[in-house]
Amino acid sequence: GQNIDQPTEMTATEGAIVQINCTYQTSGFNGLFWYQQHAGEAPTFLSYNVLDGLEEKGRFSSFLSRSKGYSYLLLKELQMKDSASYLCAVREPYTNAGKSTFGDGTTLTVKP
Amino acid sequence: DSGVTQTPKHLITATGQRVTLRCSPRSGDLSVYWYQQSLDQGLQFLIQYYNGEERAKGNILERFSAQQFPDLHSELNLSSLELGDSALYFCASSVGTGSGNTIYFGEGSWLTVV
Repeated sequence: GQNIDQPTEMTATEGAIVQINCTYQTSGFNGLFWYQQHAGEAPTFLSYNVLDGLEEKGRFSSFLSRSKGYSYLLLKELQMKDSASYLCAVREPYTNAGKSTFGDGTTLTVKP
Repeated sequence: DSGVTQTPKHLITATGQRVTLRCSPRSGDLSVYWYQQSLDQGLQFLIQYYNGEERAKGNILERFSAQQFPDLHSELNLSSLELGDSALYFCASSVGTGSGNTIYFGEGSWLTVV
């Protein structure tokens, strides 16, 4: 099975940078996803890491260390609309159907 | 718009009743997933289908069942409903189950059991 840990809540200031951490203990690993979810809406895909290192996509970057079971999502130049829940999800290997298990999410509040 | 379509968007029903939630995956996607999200809780994996066959099961209650049809749409059946079943039910789809296959979510079906 999978165990995924994220901070429950974070607060940051508009224009700042925030890092949301995710640690996981898994019986298998086949990639890690980050999703953004506004309250009452569908999660939307942000990033994907399967190899160690940093993936950059505009204001958002995601980092993975497989040996440490650790990932982070970095949000730069924060905007008010970035206030949302950020979900870390680990994909299991194909041999276990490749299903994804989600963490409980980190609720980010961006303040003016 | 993710391309995943779910109906109904909202549903209110009484305890003990049965409902069916429907999902049409993105065009070309063979894998369908169902997740439950209760108020202020994370996404709980229920069940996954791939090309019509059940591939993985999560914490799905025996009162719940699902299937994926030959045209790849899926239905989640919830029976003997209880107040605690009130939640947002998401369907998601992906091309396959490989490592890079992104999961795309529908808008969800809000179920309220009264």
